[in-house]
Amino acid sequence: DGGITQSPKYLFRKEGQNVTLSCEQNLNHDAMYWYRQDPGQGLRLIYYSQIVNDFQKGDIAEGYSVSREKKESFPLTVTSAQKNPTAFYLCASSSPGQGAPRGGNQPQHFGDGTRLSIL
Amino acid sequence: GENVEQHPSTLSVQEGDSAVIKCTYSDSASNYFPWYKQELGKGPQLIIDIRSNVGEKKDQRIAVTLNKTAKHFSLHITETQPEDSAVYFCAASIRGGGNKLTFGTGTQLKVEL
Repeated sequence: DGGITQSPKYLFRKEGQNVTLSCEQNLNHDAMYWYRQDPGQGLRLIYYSQIVNDFQKGDIAEGYSVSREKKESFPLTVTSAQKNPTAFYLCASSSPGQGAPRGGNQPQHFGDGTRLSIL
Repeated sequence: GENVEQHPSTLSVQEGDSAVIKCTYSDSASNYFPWYKQELGKGPQLIIDIRSNVGEKKDQRIAVTLNKTAKHFSLHITETQPEDSAVYFCAASIRGGGNKLTFGTGTQLKVEL
């Protein structure tokens, strides 16, 4: 089955620790995204990548880092600089638009998220 | 940047009734408007989307309408069923904006028996 796999489903972080959330897709999508979801709020964009070895900051990138070494994978690291990391993290991917800017205006497909908590 | 407002935050309907969720956006350059359904502990699932060159789109019990002049779009669910209970999010994407989505704050829909 094609889809997006996020792991782990639950993750706990100690003070001062970096943690990495995994996101893998087998949809052959070029673009991938990371969102943060807090209770009662919509999704906010952390980072996105339209192609391998390239990524851009979203609206709330501070305290996070990403890499995009493979088309299938877009891991997110929550660093110790992120002072309020407790949230539900969602990864998404999309295909590039036809005749449009790369990755433009195509449906995004989501994984089932990782819930990160502070110990 | 784009700002998307969504109302109501909670909606309770009787089974078989219709449900309507409304969103407004701020940037007239937005041209793609998806709607997502999120069940507890799951990721959002795309249920319908509409582009700015279309005023209405329907898929079985679900329809979306778009008013570009007023910059608002709405989700309509007819003949609601208990399995429609979930959180629904609207979103908007700006033309040429790298497919970045700006989301509304969500509507908790409860369909009561």
